[in-house]
Amino acid sequence: TQLLEQSPQFLSIQEGENLTVYCNSSSVFSSLQWYRQEPGEGPVLLVTVVTGGEVKKLKRLTFQFGDARKDSSLHITAAQPGDTGLYLCAGAPDSGYALNFGKGTSLLVTP
Amino acid sequence: NAGVTQTPKFQVLKTGQSMTLQCAQDMNHEYMSWYRQDPGMGLRLIHYSVGAGITDQGEVPNGYNVSRSTTEDFPLRLLSAAPSQTSVYFCASSRSPWYNEQFFGPGTRLTVL
Repeated sequence: TQLLEQSPQFLSIQEGENLTVYCNSSSVFSSLQWYRQEPGEGPVLLVTVVTGGEVKKLKRLTFQFGDARKDSSLHITAAQPGDTGLYLCAGAPDSGYALNFGKGTSLLVTP
Repeated sequence: NAGVTQTPKFQVLKTGQSMTLQCAQDMNHEYMSWYRQDPGMGLRLIHYSVGAGITDQGEVPNGYNVSRSTTEDFPLRLLSAAPSQTSVYFCASSRSPWYNEQFFGPGTRLTVL
C-alpha cells in the first residue's frame, strides 16, 4: 500500500481566510484525485490531476500536482462556510487497481 | 439515473451474526469497490471488482466476502460479524480504477455489539 499523508488533520478558520491542505507521499502516482465529503454522505470528486506540475482551478479552489507526482496541494481562497467538510486525496498507483486514500483533512469554516 | 445505491442505511448486528450489504449502480461501470471508513483512518479498500465475475482483495479483506455476478450489483458479505467491523461502509463505482471519477453511494453505518 502506497501511503498518502494529509496535513493538517483538522483546520478551523473564519470565513474569508485562505488555507492550504497538503497531500504527500514517498511514492509516485499516475494521477491524484481530491474529494470532498460532507457528514452522512459519500465523497464527491472535486478534481483529478494527471501531469506533474499541473495546476487546476475550480472557482476559489486551486489544486497542484507536484513535479515528481508524489505530492499535491489544495488551496482555498476566501473560505466560506459551504467549504466545510472532509477533504480527501486519493492516488492511483502506476500498477494495480487499488486507489489509495489519505486520512483526510477536516475543515470547519465559521461565519 | 439513481447512481450508486446502498442498502440498508443503518444496521445493528450482534457478534457472530452474518449479513449482506447491498450495492447497485446503474451507470454500466466496470469497476466497483467497497471501502470502510473509521475515525482517523480514512477510507480503506476492502474488496474490488474490475468486471462481472472478477474480484480481488484490497487492504483489509479479512472477514468479508464479495461476488460480482452482474455488472450492476456488488454485494458485501460479513460472514461472522465482530465488533471490529463496526464502521461506515461505502460502495463506489467508476468507468476505470484510475483516471475516472469514483461515484460513491450514501454509505451503510454498521454497529456490531
